[in-house]
Amino acid sequence: AQKITQTQPGMFVQEKEAVTLDCTYDTSDPSYGLFWYKQPSSGEMIFLIYQGSYDQQNATEGRYSLNFQKARKSANLVISASQLGDSAMYFCAIRDTGRRALTFGSGTRLQVQP
Amino acid sequence: GAGVSQSPSNKVTEKGKDVELRCDPISGHTALYWYRQSLGQGLEFLIYFQGNSAPDKSGLPSDRFSAERTGGSVSTLTIQRTQQEDSAVYLCASSLAAGGLNNEQFFGPGTRLTVL
Repeated sequence: AQKITQTQPGMFVQEKEAVTLDCTYDTSDPSYGLFWYKQPSSGEMIFLIYQGSYDQQNATEGRYSLNFQKARKSANLVISASQLGDSAMYFCAIRDTGRRALTFGSGTRLQVQP
Repeated sequence: GAGVSQSPSNKVTEKGKDVELRCDPISGHTALYWYRQSLGQGLEFLIYFQGNSAPDKSGLPSDRFSAERTGGSVSTLTIQRTQQEDSAVYLCASSLAAGGLNNEQFFGPGTRLTVL
């Protein structure tokens, strides 16, 4: 069974600074995908970034990058140049060949301060 | 194009009543997923459809919960004899196919269910 652990219930960051949101995972499947979603107060789930277990390079999407350390089973999200609109809940999720649905972590609430 | 839509957006019901929640996936998406999010919690998987069949129902919490999908499109999640612990936001997601690990799941806005 897959498992995602997000150990930071809440994080604060100053506007324009970078922030790292932690995520560790567990799966016995060598083939898996890791996802990060953002959930603003409006409740919608917004896909941010994806990392495949066989990808050689860390994924990047604009201001989002994923610090993928396979041996440590870690997939931290890095947000550069934080903006006030980045304030939201952030969820890490995993999917492997054994289960097509996503398994989510408990989330990290990020607050960007001016 | 239209995203995933869900109805109703809010539902208040009395304990013991049955409720139906509807999901309209993105056109052409063959995979459909139901999740539940309790207040302040992460998302909990309920059931997934590939076409009209449900290969994985392992997340349904009890036999009061059921779901169906017709025509490879609309899905209905039914909760019978609702209990207060069923209160949550029910989220539906769809994707092009379940096969690819990198297939992004697109989420609907959710239905907020309150059981009094």
